[in-house]
Amino acid sequence: AQTVTQSQPEMSVQEAETVTLSCTYDTSESDYYLFWYKQPPSRQMILVIRQEAYKQQNATENRFSVNFQKAAKSFSLKISDSQLGDAAMYFCAYRSAFYGGSQGNLIFGKGTKLSVKP
Amino acid sequence: GAGVSQSPSNKVTEKGKDVELRCDPISGHTALYWYRQSLGQGLEFLIYFQGNSAPDKSGLPSDRFSAERTGGSVSTLTIQRTQQEDSAVYLCASSADWNNSPLHFGNGTRLTVT
Repeated sequence: AQTVTQSQPEMSVQEAETVTLSCTYDTSESDYYLFWYKQPPSRQMILVIRQEAYKQQNATENRFSVNFQKAAKSFSLKISDSQLGDAAMYFCAYRSAFYGGSQGNLIFGKGTKLSVKP
Repeated sequence: GAGVSQSPSNKVTEKGKDVELRCDPISGHTALYWYRQSLGQGLEFLIYFQGNSAPDKSGLPSDRFSAERTGGSVSTLTIQRTQQEDSAVYLCASSADWNNSPLHFGNGTRLTVT
């Protein structure tokens, strides 16, 4: 079974600075998708960024980028120029690319609470 | 609507009562998921519907939990004889297909069992 581990329960960053959130995962599958979701106090899970495992190039979305190390099974999220609105819980998630592999559902880590200091 | 809609937003019930939580997915999305999020925890998979296939119920924690999806659209999660440990936020998500499309989440239902 696949597992996702986020080893940092809480992180803090100064506004305008850069912060990196860690995520590791365990799988025997060769093809899969990885996601970072943000959950503000409103509870809604918001997709931040997505990475296909077969792509070597790291995904980037504006101030958000990932460092995907497939061999190491590592998928960290870097937030540049942090803003107050970035404060939230961040969840790393895994999804199989094979039909029948975890039935397409997302397997989540326990999350990292990010605080942004003004 | 533009997004996934869940109702009610909050529900307080007495131990032993039954509750029904509703999810209205994005129109046209074939996949629908229910997750449970306990305080300070990640998301725990409960059940997954994909098109007309039999649902994947492997995440349901007990036989007090059940879900149905009528007409491939709206889904209802039912918890019978609620217990205090059922208190959590129940999140619903839908996606356009089973693997590549991202999941779109609703705002969840916060269930409190007293």
